Amino acid sequence: EPEVTQTPSHQVTQMGQEVILRCVPISNHLYFYWYRQILGQKVEFLVSFYNNEISEKSEIFDDQFSVERPDGSNFTLKIRSTKLEDSAMYFCASSEEGSPNYEQYFGPGTRLTVT
Amino acid sequence: GNSVTQMEGPVTLSEEAFLTINCTYTATGYPSLFWYVQYPGEGLQLLLKATKADDKGSNKGFEATYRKETTSFHLEKGSVQVSDSAVYFCALSVQNSGYSTLTFGKGTMLLVSP
Repeated sequence: EPEVTQTPSHQVTQMGQEVILRCVPISNHLYFYWYRQILGQKVEFLVSFYNNEISEKSEIFDDQFSVERPDGSNFTLKIRSTKLEDSAMYFCASSEEGSPNYEQYFGPGTRLTVT
Repeated sequence: GNSVTQMEGPVTLSEEAFLTINCTYTATGYPSLFWYVQYPGEGLQLLLKATKADDKGSNKGFEATYRKETTSFHLEKGSVQVSDSAVYFCALSVQNSGYSTLTFGKGTMLLVSP
């Protein structure tokens, strides 16, 4: 069964450093998403992406964040200058269509630890 | 705005006990409702969904009914197993101009003992 993959599984970085989290969505999916989950808290929406542009972004997704689909398969989340509070599990998701009737498939997540 | 409220955990049950995890929501527009499950060390998996009022989603013995009048989507299972131990997230999605995003509750941890 096709699945969303994410790399790395765990990333440790120092405050102020740039990080890039990578995702490979399911190949025929057109809508891509990033969510994050701070330890012990709820999963929060960051950004959705369709047709090579951001469809929607949350308040969390400030100028320190950016997303890109650099080629036909990868979908990346970049944090320009990490802060301690960026420590979280970051989930990538993809769906075939944008309608709520289409399931969003989640990757296993990247645990980001900022020290 | 959209929000989801679900009961605080952890919920601790013995095997074969009946499970209810409460979930209520507020939404602008007509939401689709979901339950996701997160097993230890894994990502989120869709457990079940319902897209309109009075629909019942079901999977692996779990059920939830979309109750528009009470804005609820409570998760139930008649007889839980140890393997059901996980964190359960209630979520909603409202379509916005051709795309949709998920709004999650805080999650409820379920611990089932033999």
